[in-house]
Amino acid sequence: GAVVSQHPSWVICKSGTSVKIECRSLDFQATTMFWYRQFPKQSLMLMATSNEGSKATYEQGVEKDKFLINHASLTLSTLTVTSAHPEDSSFYICSARGTGGEQYFGPGTRLTVT
Amino acid sequence: AQSVAQPEDQVNVAEGNPLTVKCTYSVSGNPYLFWYVQYPNRGLQFLLKYITGDNLVKGSYGFEAEFNKSQTSFHLKKPSALVSDSALYFCAVRDMSNYQLIWGAGTKLIIKP
Repeated sequence: GAVVSQHPSWVICKSGTSVKIECRSLDFQATTMFWYRQFPKQSLMLMATSNEGSKATYEQGVEKDKFLINHASLTLSTLTVTSAHPEDSSFYICSARGTGGEQYFGPGTRLTVT
Repeated sequence: AQSVAQPEDQVNVAEGNPLTVKCTYSVSGNPYLFWYVQYPNRGLQFLLKYITGDNLVKGSYGFEAEFNKSQTSFHLKKPSALVSDSALYFCAVRDMSNYQLIWGAGTKLIIKP
């Protein structure tokens, strides 16, 4: 089956620095990728929807200047958390939707900001 | 190995009938279990979760799920289906050793009038 990978799986960074998380569809082309955030013991929150070659659509309340999303190719989307703060510590998950409409999820990236 | 199985690719139910979408899991330790729904061209929406406590969990849109430890199952249910319930449903479990989510493949639910 189709596989979506995320890198890194776990990252620790200092407050004020930026962190980039990659989401790759390994064996299919993803026309759309979704980025989610999950706090401990809570549900996923959709952050943004990105379509290849166009600007991401952000959900209400998500700061687009803080969470930069780039979807430069059909197999790669990146989420950059800029000037990270401890409250940004969370679990970030991407999903990728293929041309047939099927969707596959990455395993997630755990971000800890100290 | 950690895994989540949704054995049915598609479930068809007549409107007004009860529905069940199945999910079984295999993880070490106590699982955190989730159900999500995805409507066409939309991102995931949270339905319900099980962490601890009562095995019967009630969630959004009239859905509920029952955690069965002996059968390692977490089936999603609704007493009376609506046409608007037609969507993709995903079961997920959190592996508490590394906090990663393990996803089921999804089940397409079709409710016919």
